[in-house]
Amino acid sequence: AQTVTQSQPEMSVQEAETVTLSCTYDTSENNYYLFWYKQPPSRQMILVIRQEAYKQQNATENRFSVNFQKAAKSFSLKISDSQLGDTAMYFCAFMIPTNAGKSTFGDGTTLTVKP
Amino acid sequence: DSGVTQTPKHLITATGQRVTLRCSPRSGDLSVYWYQQSLDQGLQFLIQYYNGEERAKGNILERFSAQQFPDLHSELNLSSLELGDSALYFCASSGAREPQHGNTIYFGEGSWLTVV
Repeated sequence: AQTVTQSQPEMSVQEAETVTLSCTYDTSENNYYLFWYKQPPSRQMILVIRQEAYKQQNATENRFSVNFQKAAKSFSLKISDSQLGDTAMYFCAFMIPTNAGKSTFGDGTTLTVKP
Repeated sequence: DSGVTQTPKHLITATGQRVTLRCSPRSGDLSVYWYQQSLDQGLQFLIQYYNGEERAKGNILERFSAQQFPDLHSELNLSSLELGDSALYFCASSGAREPQHGNTIYFGEGSWLTVV
């Protein structure tokens, strides 16, 4: 069974600073995808970033980047130059495309960006 | 716009009643997922369908059922509703048919259910 663990239920960061959210997962699969989703107070689920397991290069999307360590089964999200609009719950997720897209989500990390 | 459409967006109903939530996945996506999110809670996986067949089941109550139709839209049926069923219900879809384009799970905006 696949599991996703987000060990930080809550975090806070000062505006303009950098913060890293941690995520670890467990799987015996070799081909999978990892995601970070953002859920702001509006409750909409917004895809932040995606990483293919077969790619060694870490994915980046503007101020968001990941540190993907496949051997350690770690997938952390770094937010640079934090903005007030980054305040949200962040979910780490894992998906196996060869198994009809079977997915697993972590319990989420609530991030508060302080002015 | 994720391309996943959920209806209704908001629903208020009484205890003991039955409701149906509807989801249209992104065009071409074969997998549909249903999640429940209560206030200040994480996502609770309910069930997944792939091309009309149930593929994975999570913590879905026996009072709840779902199906995916030949046109790939899905419905989540909630019956004998209780106050504790009040939650945001998400539908999501993924394009497992197109691995070369990458597989991503796209969420709808959710259906807010309030049981009074």
